[in-house]
Amino acid sequence: EDQVTQSPEALRLQEGESSSLNCSYTVSGLRGLFWYRQDPGKGPEFLFTLYSAGEEKEKERLKATLTKKESFLHITAPKPEDSATYLCAVQGQDSNYQLIWGAGTKLIIKP
Amino acid sequence: DSGVTQTPKHLITATGQRVTLRCSPRSGDLSVYWYQQSLDQGLQFLIQYYNGEERAKGNILERFSAQQFPDLHSELNLSSLELGDSALYFCASSLGSVATGELFFGEGSRLTVL
Repeated sequence: EDQVTQSPEALRLQEGESSSLNCSYTVSGLRGLFWYRQDPGKGPEFLFTLYSAGEEKEKERLKATLTKKESFLHITAPKPEDSATYLCAVQGQDSNYQLIWGAGTKLIIKP
Repeated sequence: DSGVTQTPKHLITATGQRVTLRCSPRSGDLSVYWYQQSLDQGLQFLIQYYNGEERAKGNILERFSAQQFPDLHSELNLSSLELGDSALYFCASSLGSVATGELFFGEGSRLTVL
């Protein structure tokens, strides 16, 4: 069964303190791994798609990487506006193209 | 603004009742997805429609049903409501029939069942 586990559940950082969020997955043939950002009271907002191990994507202070078992979302010198819940989802070959979502990591950046 | 519109934003009702949630997808998008998000379970896929036809089904209860109309808006009907149905219900849309992973989400409808 396809499964996604995100850690930690919550992460508090000082502004400027870089860190990484983890997304571990078990899937029968990865079609793609996706990162989303969700602000309180809002719907998730698409960030990145990663398709194969070794692939990296960057957007402003965020960088997503992928291995055969996990993905990392690296946050460099974060700002308070980066505070949000970050969701990871995978699409496997046997999932009828649907996404399996992790529970998310709540990131809080203190000024 | 994702371009996906959901109504109502908030809904409070009693057990046993029936409610309808409405979604207008992003202009040009043919696929609509419904998700349920609760505190303890994260995002759960319910159902997908593509151009009026059911495309995929997830963990949708028999008490729940959905449809997509010719103008591509969609409605999610929840009946015989139980306390456990309290959650955020999100609609998302995409251009094609296959979920490429880039979905555009609405702001959700928060359902509270008392």
